[in-house]
Amino acid sequence: GAVVSQHPSWVICKSGTSVKIECRSLDFQATTMFWYRQFPKQSLMLMATSNEGSKATYEQGVEKDKFLINHASLTLSTLTVTSAHPEDSSFYICSARRTGEGSSPLHFGNGTRLTVT
Amino acid sequence: LAKTTQPISMDSYEGQEVNITCSHNNIATNDYITWYQQFPSQGPRFIIQGYKTKVTNEVASLFIPADRKSSTLSLPRVSLSDTAVYYCLGELIFGQGTELSVKP
Repeated sequence: GAVVSQHPSWVICKSGTSVKIECRSLDFQATTMFWYRQFPKQSLMLMATSNEGSKATYEQGVEKDKFLINHASLTLSTLTVTSAHPEDSSFYICSARRTGEGSSPLHFGNGTRLTVT
Repeated sequence: LAKTTQPISMDSYEGQEVNITCSHNNIATNDYITWYQQFPSQGPRFIIQGYKTKVTNEVASLFIPADRKSSTLSLPRVSLSDTAVYYCLGELIFGQGTELSVKP
């Protein structure tokens, strides 16, 4: 168990448009989910912590108005990249941990490849 | 949040044991140490987790000394399919990872 699903797996959009990425915990509930970004040949960078029913917590340097996060249920968090630009092209990965299991491992989705043209 | 340091790359041959060490000098008292494997264009995959001493599962062993300032992931008898990037995490922050290349 503990499967995290992301959709879409890849998306191409034009500069200036917005893109929504979904992250679902398929067989467990997750009060908290985490969004990462990964550029080619680099490590994963934590962008924000998504909290069910409340505002997300953003890491320093991540624009909250550009990367909108909504965590409306215990199994779904969404990341919307607003007014996307080519520099936003990256691999976006979400992760989740079972609610109430603070020491359990993070489970990661398979990522979303965003290309902004 | 704990910052981790690992070797950037390692080379090995099929059938060998590979040990990857990670330094995490300021890991929080409550944090577990978790190792992940990542293939290109995929999300990280959980390998093993531990708090102290030794943990073993069907794919790896994890050694954590008493001071918990480092940990060593041990992969027994690696195969070509183990070529990947390996990350250790103290909590949410990824270090640069170790790119393991297994050669025939």
